[in-house]
Amino acid sequence: EDKVVQSPLSLVVHEGDTVTLNCSYEVTNFRSLLWYKQEKKAPTFLFMLTSSGIEKKSGRLSSILDKKELFSILNITATQTGDSAIYLCAVNQGAQKLVFGQGTRLTINP
Amino acid sequence: SQTIHQWPATLVQPVGSPLSLECTVEGTSNPNLYWYRQAAGRGLQLLFYSVGIGQISSEVPQNLSASRPQDRQFILSSKKLLLSDSGFYLCAWGTGYGYTFGSGTRLTVV
Repeated sequence: EDKVVQSPLSLVVHEGDTVTLNCSYEVTNFRSLLWYKQEKKAPTFLFMLTSSGIEKKSGRLSSILDKKELFSILNITATQTGDSAIYLCAVNQGAQKLVFGQGTRLTINP
Repeated sequence: SQTIHQWPATLVQPVGSPLSLECTVEGTSNPNLYWYRQAAGRGLQLLFYSVGIGQISSEVPQNLSASRPQDRQFILSSKKLLLSDSGFYLCAWGTGYGYTFGSGTRLTVV
C-alpha cells in the first residue's frame, strides 16, 4: 500500500528556533514530492522536489529530497509566529494523483 | 487568471439528509479535478478524481458520489449523510506544480 509518513505529528517551539520536518514515503510510482502549508483552509504550495540532493529555498524555508532513502525534509530557520500551520507532504504518483501524509502541526510561540 | 471556487464554506446537515458540494474552475480547459477529505488532525484522503466530463474515478468505497457535468464543474454528493461523513472537504485542480486547492467546505453531520 502506498504511504507517506510525516514526523513529528506535532511540534511546539519558540520564535527564532529552527525546525526540521520529516517526510518518508513508500509508493509504487514516484514522480515528485511536494510540500504544502495549511493555515486555516486551503493548503498553499511551498516546494516541488523531483531530484535527489538539490536543495530548494524560499526565504527562511528550504527542502531537500533523498530518493535513495525515500525521504524529504523541510527546514524553517528563524521561525516566526506566522509559520504556525499544518505542513503537508505529498507524493505525486503520476496522473497528478497525490498521496498525502498526516501532516505536521507546527506551533510557534512568541 | 486561473482560479478555483468551492462552496459553501461551512455546512451543518442532519444525518440522513442529502449533500451537494460544488467546485468550479476558471481560466483553464479540461482540468484534472479532485475531491479530498481531511478528518480532524489528519492528512488528506483522495475521494474522487476526474480527467474529463463524465469521467469519475473513485478511490475509496464510501457513502459519497461525484459527478462532472461540465468541463470546469465538479460536484460531490450524497443521498443520505452519515455521521462519519463529517470533515473538511477540499476540491483541487491539478497543475504542473501539484495542486491548486479550493478554500474548502467544513461539513458537520449532526
